[in-house]
Amino acid sequence: NAGVMQNPRHLVRRRGQEARLRCSPMKGHSHVYWYRQLPEEGLKFMVYLQKENIIDESGMPKERFSAEFPKEGPSILRIQQVVRGDSAAYFCASSREDRARHNSPLHFGNGTRLTVT
Amino acid sequence: AQTVTQSQPEMSVQEAETVTLSCTYDTSESDYYLFWYKQPPSRQMILVIRQEAYKQQNATENRFSVNFQKAAKSFSLKISDSQLGDAAMYFCAQETSGSRLTFGEGTQLTVNP
Repeated sequence: NAGVMQNPRHLVRRRGQEARLRCSPMKGHSHVYWYRQLPEEGLKFMVYLQKENIIDESGMPKERFSAEFPKEGPSILRIQQVVRGDSAAYFCASSREDRARHNSPLHFGNGTRLTVT
Repeated sequence: AQTVTQSQPEMSVQEAETVTLSCTYDTSESDYYLFWYKQPPSRQMILVIRQEAYKQQNATENRFSVNFQKAAKSFSLKISDSQLGDAAMYFCAQETSGSRLTFGEGTQLTVNP
């Protein structure tokens, strides 16, 4: 049973380009969470999605960042017109059901390290 | 808003000894979960242990145990019989009903042979 798969593992973009980060949740998981880890810091929540729905995007920057989790295919975190400050590790996590019930553990992927040059 | 504070940026321990990592948090919620995650250089986030706030008994997982002091909002991690493979960054995290985790800044643990 494959875990949470994120690709690419490393992504290099020049300032102004777009970055697309992909996350395939574990089989049977319909809830996806994105976190960002800046250098020397802990992970910060960005967005929580279910299939075709954004549940909580309170941690997303207001501009240039968007996320989706379509009915078919992986969840995508998209960063438009990247800047050097976007350089970070971006982690995806998934769970089986609404974790507000606290019965479903959270599984993390290995992250995508984005470097903006 | 929830905050999680880890006051020890770095800690070191001799192999086979015991070390305690500190964590404090702040929340107005009464029902929540607390976690310790380990992040080795591979960057993988590995769940070490979790504690349910309504349970008074401290959680234990093999060599890992917690000291949960709810009134003091303290949640420390004790690693017994430390092994070289325990060397990593350790993050304390809190989850409330919003299904989102709030992480501390991390403690880098070095294990000396």
